[in-house]
Amino acid sequence: EAGVVQSPRYKIIEKKQPVAFWCNPISGHNTLYWYRQNLGQGPELLIRYENEEAVDDSQLPKDRFSAERLKGVDSTLKIQPAELGDSAVYLCASSADSRGYTFGSGTRLTVV
Amino acid sequence: ILNVEQSPQSLHVQEGDSTNFTCSFPSSNFYALHWYRWETAKSPEALFVMTLNGDEKKKGRISATLNTKEGYSYLYIKGSQPEDSATYLCAFLDSGYALNFGKGTSLLVTP
Repeated sequence: EAGVVQSPRYKIIEKKQPVAFWCNPISGHNTLYWYRQNLGQGPELLIRYENEEAVDDSQLPKDRFSAERLKGVDSTLKIQPAELGDSAVYLCASSADSRGYTFGSGTRLTVV
Repeated sequence: ILNVEQSPQSLHVQEGDSTNFTCSFPSSNFYALHWYRWETAKSPEALFVMTLNGDEKKKGRISATLNTKEGYSYLYIKGSQPEDSATYLCAFLDSGYALNFGKGTSLLVTP
């Protein structure tokens, strides 16, 4: 079974540029999460989807971040415009229940 | 955002040493405690999901215990090997669905 697939693996952009990350969850997993891990910190939740509905986006900086999960499968996380402080690892995870979280390998974003 | 603390922040041991890490978490509204092993450039790998007070789980040389009343969990590695080098994350799940992570313990095992 394929795991959670994320792309790209690495991205370097200049500040003020837009960037997008893509996630393909495990088939049948209705819940999808985007986490951000800043250097020296643990991953922090940005947004949680149940199917195509964003049920928890309280930690998503809505002035520059947006996310979508069309048809309740793949998801895209966008930053526009990027700032230096957005440099981090962006992790996607999916689950069928509270026991079975599966993470992707993440996208490491560097904003210069 | 719930406060999950891990210690030590980093650890450097010799091959063959046994070691342990601590995770402390809120003792109220407990649902589950997850342990992950995360190597650089790879996906975080689930080690244990613990739900009951007194739980003890083992996977090869790695084991974990859980005390939900006092809000802590220990992860033990017996006879550390260089391939055990990674960041070990614990994550607390309350009655919601999102994991609240600690900052992790970075383990380096040298031959």
